[in-house]
Amino acid sequence: DAGVTQSPTHLIKTRGQHVTLRCSPISGHKSVSWYQQVLGQGPQFIFQYYEKEERGRGNFPDRFSARQFPNYSSELNVNALLLGDSALYLCASSLAADQPQHFGDGTRLSIL
Amino acid sequence: GQNIDQPTEMTATEGAIVQINCTYQTSGFNGLFWYQQHAGEAPTFLSYNVLDGLEEKGRFSSFLSRSKGYSYLLLKELQMKDSASYLCAVIHNAGNMLTFGGGTRLMVKP
Repeated sequence: DAGVTQSPTHLIKTRGQHVTLRCSPISGHKSVSWYQQVLGQGPQFIFQYYEKEERGRGNFPDRFSARQFPNYSSELNVNALLLGDSALYLCASSLAADQPQHFGDGTRLSIL
Repeated sequence: GQNIDQPTEMTATEGAIVQINCTYQTSGFNGLFWYQQHAGEAPTFLSYNVLDGLEEKGRFSSFLSRSKGYSYLLLKELQMKDSASYLCAVIHNAGNMLTFGGGTRLMVKP
């Protein structure tokens, strides 16, 4: 079975632009979470979606938004990009919100 | 709020045993996870502790004491490929969000 898949793998943007990152969960997993990981630090929680509803939101500005589709895939949108948004963005899926999460390979976002 | 502490770096010798500690303060504790992350790769799930005690899985074991807000990951018979960052993460029922520590970078030397 395929694991969590994320696209694109790498992305380069400039300040002020917006970006959409995509995630397909493991088949059968209904919960998707998004994390931001800056080099040398642990992942920081951004959003969790379960059954297409937002179940949790981390301490990120309103420039960050997400949604989950009927097939349980998810998108993370970031507007008005800042240099500090440069990071690895990880998507994780799980059977339910409190079950072990399995991570995709991430999207490495670079802001110039 | 939530706070998770773990050592930044550790060094151990191939074939030895190493214990990586994690302490946490959190409200609504719902479980603790350990993940392994090799440089440039995604975290991979190692263990999940909900109740107090030791969970053993091959060369890796994880322990939890909820009353002390303490966990450790024990790696036995260390191999060079175990060189990686080890992330402690707590799940709490406030939105079921997962809060990670900063990670412990383990270097295994010959």
